[in-house]
Amino acid sequence: DVKVTQSSRYLVKRTGEKVFLECVQDMDHENMFWYRQDPGLGLRLIYFSYDVKMKEKGDIPEGYSVSREKKERFSLILESASTNQTSMYLCASWDRRTDTQYFGPGTRLTVL
Amino acid sequence: AQSVTQLGSHVSVSEGALVLLRCNYSSSVPPYLFWYVQYPNQGLQLLLKYTSAATLVKGINGFEAEFKKSETSFHLTKPSAHMSDAAEYFCAVSGQAGTALIFGKGTTLSVSS
Repeated sequence: DVKVTQSSRYLVKRTGEKVFLECVQDMDHENMFWYRQDPGLGLRLIYFSYDVKMKEKGDIPEGYSVSREKKERFSLILESASTNQTSMYLCASWDRRTDTQYFGPGTRLTVL
Repeated sequence: AQSVTQLGSHVSVSEGALVLLRCNYSSSVPPYLFWYVQYPNQGLQLLLKYTSAATLVKGINGFEAEFKKSETSFHLTKPSAHMSDAAEYFCAVSGQAGTALIFGKGTTLSVSS
């Protein structure tokens, strides 16, 4: 079974804080993704990575950065959290054998 | 470039009735098409996918979808709704294996007894 885990299910932070969201997959997948989900907007791509230390901006990268030092871990960083970053964040990794993206359970972030 | 339009942000059916969730896509290359389901406070789970094999795709939980190139559609159906089908459903497209998915805005399915 493919397993994608995210470090927190719920997170509450203050405006201006630096926030780390962690995503780990245990299937040696190369490609990993961070999406943001907002009501009525669906999921939008923030960043993706196709290998260690490789990253590409998605549709809404402003205010975010990422880190991929090891193949199994893809971190999303909010350098200075703002209230408009309150959202659900979903991580996914791509299984080459089944050509399927598998999603983690999501982190619901609230920035006060 | 790819895009997805899901018609109807909310669909309500009675238990036992046909479920039809509509998805139209736009793609400049042969598309990969997916339907995902999201239950409350959970991540997304793959229901089914089309990757240029059979045009009628069967998925989990009795769902199926038909790829119609002439109509640029990939509608999701289930003959008989169950209460447990109540969830949010997302249609998604990509132009190449392993690339990011472009999602529709989602359709919330409600099932009444």
